[in-house]
Order: sequence, then C-alpha cells, then structure tokens
Amino acid sequence: QQQVKQSPQSLIVQKGGISIINCAYENTAFDYFPWYQQFPGKGPALLIAIRPDVSEKKEGRFTISFNKSAKQFSLHIMDSQPGDSATYFCAARRNYGGATNKLIFGTGTLLAVQP
Amino acid sequence: ETGVTQTPRHLVMGMTNKKSLKCEQHLGHNAMYWYKQSAKKPLELMFVYNFKEQTENNSVPSRFSPECPNSSHLFLHLHTLQPEDSALYLCASSQDPQGGSPLHFGNGTRLTVT
Repeated sequence: QQQVKQSPQSLIVQKGGISIINCAYENTAFDYFPWYQQFPGKGPALLIAIRPDVSEKKEGRFTISFNKSAKQFSLHIMDSQPGDSATYFCAARRNYGGATNKLIFGTGTLLAVQP
Repeated sequence: ETGVTQTPRHLVMGMTNKKSLKCEQHLGHNAMYWYKQSAKKPLELMFVYNFKEQTENNSVPSRFSPECPNSSHLFLHLHTLQPEDSALYLCASSQDPQGGSPLHFGNGTRLTVT
C-alpha cells in the first residue's frame, strides 16, 4: 500500500525523441506527486510536481500526466536532449494531517539520451 | 555556496570505527532529513527533524545516531557499522515537514564499510 512502482528501470532514447517514465501507486491517500532528477555525483532535485486535482502539468519540455482512476502518473520529456541523461525518481506523499511529510520514492529510472 | 552542503563526500570506514557525517543548510529551512540511497532501491527515509526536534525515526538501527543542534546543522554519527550499510547517505531540508514544500538535497556522502 505504501509502495510506488516505477518503470522502466532504464531507458535509452535518441536525441529529439520522447522519454516516458511511468509510476503506479495503490494508496489513495497520496496527495502530492513530485518527480526528482538526479545527475551522477549530485543529490536529487525537484523537477516537477502535480496534485491529484489536475490531470496534466507542463513545465517546458517536461509534462506530468496523472490518471487518478488508474492510480498512475507518468513523466514525459519532449525533445529529449543529452543533457537530460540522469536518473529520475517519482514519489508520492502521504499527508498525515500535520505530521511528518512522508515521501515514498520509486526505484528510479536511468535515462540515457543518445546524440 | 550550495543550499545543502554535506561532508565528507566519501568515507571509508572499518566496522569498528566511529565516524560522523555532517550536513549544513543555508536555505533557512526548518526541517532536515537523512535518507539512505542504495542501488536499485527507493530512497529510504531514516530520520526527520523539525525545528531541531526529531519527529521521525524510520526503524533505523541504533548504530546510526542522528544529532540536530539547530535548524541549520544535522549530523549522523556512525559506529560499528556493517558492510550492508555501504550506500550514499543524503541529507535534505525543506521549509516545513508537512506541506508540499520541496526537498532540497545535498550531494551526499558515499560511505563504504569494509
């Protein structure tokens, strides 16, 4: 119930292509879904996030699609660039109503964009 | 100066050693966290501090001992570790531990236990 399942584990995309990473969850109490991007030797950094009252959020080339009924959300990277090569983590937050902000992370997707 | 600074970047220690990891945040945040990152596993939340009070201990073995003297500094004291404790240890901070404020991570300490 507390898991967030992420796929694929790794992804190779050609420059200019679309990268798609998927996540699924079971706990309907999750109320916030961020994506984090991590470059080698660096800590993860927030990329984009969505709340379940909207079905899509776009920031530049990055889009989150959210399907509440299917309990799935995905990250789409349009016009993928070699500089996008990184590990991407989806996450979901269970808000305990004033208690600790608990983020449950997926296992990560290693994206390689080939020039 | 980056937002969240962790030292050292790399640490090799024997199972009988005692060492400490240090984290400092310059963002004025009130909450600080320790996470463990192992290959092919989700990030594991270890400890949470809010206004320097520990609010979460995620069933972490006692060989890991956190310390938060103030809202800007966080330590992780290590003693009698096991080889399976080898991992990247990430410190993070956020404005508060409750809302949707994003986590700001440091670059981590790569720990190897021999």
